[in-house]
Amino acid sequence: DAGVIQSPRHEVTEMGQEVTLRCKPISGHDYLFWYRQTMMRGLELLIYFNNNVPIDDSGMPEDRFSAKMPNASFSTLKIQPSEPRDSAVYFCASSTDRGENTGELFFGEGSRLTVL
Amino acid sequence: DAKTTQPPSMDCAEGRAANLPCNHSTISGNEYVYWYRQIHSQGPQYIIHGLKNNETNEMASLIITEDRKSSTLILPHATLRDTAVYYCIVRVGGAAGNKLTFGGGTRVLVKP
Repeated sequence: DAGVIQSPRHEVTEMGQEVTLRCKPISGHDYLFWYRQTMMRGLELLIYFNNNVPIDDSGMPEDRFSAKMPNASFSTLKIQPSEPRDSAVYFCASSTDRGENTGELFFGEGSRLTVL
Repeated sequence: DAKTTQPPSMDCAEGRAANLPCNHSTISGNEYVYWYRQIHSQGPQYIIHGLKNNETNEMASLIITEDRKSSTLILPHATLRDTAVYYCIVRVGGAAGNKLTFGGGTRVLVKP
């Protein structure tokens, strides 16, 4: 099992540029989460999907952020235009409530974004 | 989800047991206690969870008080690789419509 795969691992961009972060959840998982981590605010849930449908996007900071899940094996988090305060580590996680369910979330290694 | 309170940091000696406390005095009857840890620069990792009974797995033990208002995560023989931030989270069981809300956690430093 390859685990949750995120790309890119590191991204440095300039203010105003569009940023796209990508996530491939664990095969068979039907929940996908996007988190953001900063020193000031810790780990924050941005949005999560169930069966490719957004369920709760109340954590999305503003309209500059958007997330999509076109199919069960791929999700994107887009920031347009990016700002320096968006600099953070963005984590994707997946889970399932089928089979033996522990409620465990499996996290990817994160995408470290720096906006200059 | 009920709120949790953890000490911000603690040290422990390599090879000794590490006991990490967590208070969750407003926990509801259907809420579980989950523990995750985050090693530097990595994504959070699930450790263990429980409802009422004490639980043990290959990583740790979870002791929940009878009134369920507090719990303790025990790392039986701490190693240097256990240095991490440990998060205690209370949430309704089940995969996820029940999102995880992370607090500040306890920063554990295992010293040689």
